[in-house]
Amino acid sequence: AQTVTQSQPEMSVQEAETVTLSCTYDTSESDYYLFWYKQPPSRQMILVIRQEAYKQQNATENRFSVNFQKAAKSFSLKISDSQLGDAAMYFCAYINDSGYALNFGKGTSLLVTP
Amino acid sequence: DTGVSQDPRHKITKRGQNVTFRCDPISEHNRLYWYRQTLGQGPEFLTYFQNEAQLEKSRLLSDRFSAERPKGSFSTLEIQRTEQGDSAMYLCASSLFSTGELFFGEGSRLTVL
Repeated sequence: AQTVTQSQPEMSVQEAETVTLSCTYDTSESDYYLFWYKQPPSRQMILVIRQEAYKQQNATENRFSVNFQKAAKSFSLKISDSQLGDAAMYFCAYINDSGYALNFGKGTSLLVTP
Repeated sequence: DTGVSQDPRHKITKRGQNVTFRCDPISEHNRLYWYRQTLGQGPEFLTYFQNEAQLEKSRLLSDRFSAERPKGSFSTLEIQRTEQGDSAMYLCASSLFSTGELFFGEGSRLTVL
């Protein structure tokens, strides 16, 4: 079974600074997809960024970028120029190419301080 | 496009009662998922529909849980004889592709007294 591990239960960052959230996963598959989802307090979960394992180039979406290290099975999320609205739970998730549902990590709670 | 909607948003019930949650996915999405989320945990997969067919069920889903998606549109999740351990947020999500973006609803929070 594939497992997703987020080793940081909580992280804190000052506004305008950069923070990196860690994620590692365990799989024997070669074709898979990785995701970061954001869950603001009392609001629905939304997709932040998606990475296809066959692509070596790291995905970026505006202030959000990933560091995808396939050999190390590591998929970290970097948030640049942090904003108060970035405060949320962040979940790393995995699905292989023949899978049917995402497998989520336990999440990292990000606090953004003024 | 109104997104994924779930009803009710909150449900408080007594142990032993039955509860039913409804999910209306994004209309063109043929895939629908139910997840359960407890405090401090990530979402755990419960079950998955492609159109009206229930294709996968987690071992977490005991016999007290049943889900349907008649006509491949909305879905219901019923929990019979609720237990305190069923207290959680029940999340519904829909998508076009299994490896694509999941669109989540705001969840239905269940409290079993």
